[in-house]
Amino acid sequence: DGGITQSPKYLFRKEGQNVTLSCEQNLNHDAMYWYRQDPGQGLRLIYYSQIVNDFQKGDIAEGYSVSREKKESFPLTVTSAQKNPTAFYLCASSISSAALGETQYFGPGTRLLVL
Amino acid sequence: DQQVKQNSPSLSVQEGRISILNCDYTNSMFDYFLWYKKYPAEGPTFLISISSIKDKNEDGRFTVFLNKSAKHLSLHIVPSQPGDSAVYFCAASGLGSARQLTFGSGTQLTVLP
Repeated sequence: DGGITQSPKYLFRKEGQNVTLSCEQNLNHDAMYWYRQDPGQGLRLIYYSQIVNDFQKGDIAEGYSVSREKKESFPLTVTSAQKNPTAFYLCASSISSAALGETQYFGPGTRLLVL
Repeated sequence: DQQVKQNSPSLSVQEGRISILNCDYTNSMFDYFLWYKKYPAEGPTFLISISSIKDKNEDGRFTVFLNKSAKHLSLHIVPSQPGDSAVYFCAASGLGSARQLTFGSGTQLTVLP
């Protein structure tokens, strides 16, 4: 049963704390993405990775960091430098790295809240 | 600067009738368009797409129309069902600097029984 999993479903962050959101896929997709959704807004791209050990900044990368050590995994760290981290975070993947705009498949999301 | 715009934040339709969701774009480099459906607290699910070489693509109750000259696309759902109630996002991508998917802000569709 292939798909994208994100954990945890809800995450609480204290002021000044770094937190890491997990994203795993068993679809054998090359490309993976992180988006942020705020109420009443569309999805905004944080980071993307077209291949293992390589990743690129998206439109709103400040205050975030990623790694891509394995094809299946693309964790996102929300650092203390991110001043407004409360949002719904979505991970996605797509088959190949040839076309960034091709159909992406999304995980269930992680809701991050600041205490 | 929003390159993909969904100007209607919400739409209510009676069950069995047609739902029409609209999307406008400004970047002429876009050549591939997608619609996603999203339920609360879940990730978006891919619904239907269309390439710029076509003006219509149909999949069951869902049809997407593309008017390139007007830079406008629409999603038609016929007949609408209560389970279609969700937020619908349109997205676009293309060549060069437009390679990444760019999403609209979404339209909340409510299908009334």
